Amino acid sequence: DGGITQSPKYLFRKEGQNVTLSCEQNLNHDAMYWYRQDPGQGLRLIYYSQIVNDFQKGDIAEGYSVSREKKESFPLTVTSAQKNPTAFYLCASSIFNSAETQYFGPGTRLLVL
Amino acid sequence: KQEVTQIPAALSVPEGENLVLNCSFTDSAIYNLQWFRQDPGKGLTSLLLIQSSQREQTSGRLNASLDKSSGRSTLYIAASQPGDSATYLCAVRRYQAGTALIFGKGTTLSVSS
Repeated sequence: DGGITQSPKYLFRKEGQNVTLSCEQNLNHDAMYWYRQDPGQGLRLIYYSQIVNDFQKGDIAEGYSVSREKKESFPLTVTSAQKNPTAFYLCASSIFNSAETQYFGPGTRLLVL
Repeated sequence: KQEVTQIPAALSVPEGENLVLNCSFTDSAIYNLQWFRQDPGKGLTSLLLIQSSQREQTSGRLNASLDKSSGRSTLYIAASQPGDSATYLCAVRRYQAGTALIFGKGTTLSVSS
């Protein structure tokens, strides 16, 4: 089945710890995105990548880092610099430079211990 | 800066009622507009995608309209069912394709049987 997978479903972070959220897609999409969702809020863009080995900051990139070494994978690291990391994180992908829709993964909920 | 607003924030209706969800955006230079559905704790499912040159799109009991000049879109749901209960998110893509979406905060719909 084609789609986007995110793991883990739940993630707990201790104070001062870096954690990495996984996002994998087998849709052969060039573009991938990371969004953050807080309760009662819409999604806000953290980072996006339109091609392998290239990525751009979104609206709320501070305290986060990404890599794009493979077309299929776009992991997000929440660093200790992110002071309020508790949120629902959604990964998406789309065909680059197209009017097609973005496809979303099931999300990862990050909680702070 | 593009802003997307959705009204109302929450809506409760009895089963069988027709209803309209509203979305407005501040910059009419958009590439397209999408309506998504989100169930609690889940990812997003695309419902309808309207290109900037189109006026409306239909899928089953759903109809979405777009008036780019006035910065408005509506999602019409006919004969609502309890299974329609979810949060509905509106998102616009800026004129450059391949860039990320800008989301509204959503309308949470509850349909009672």
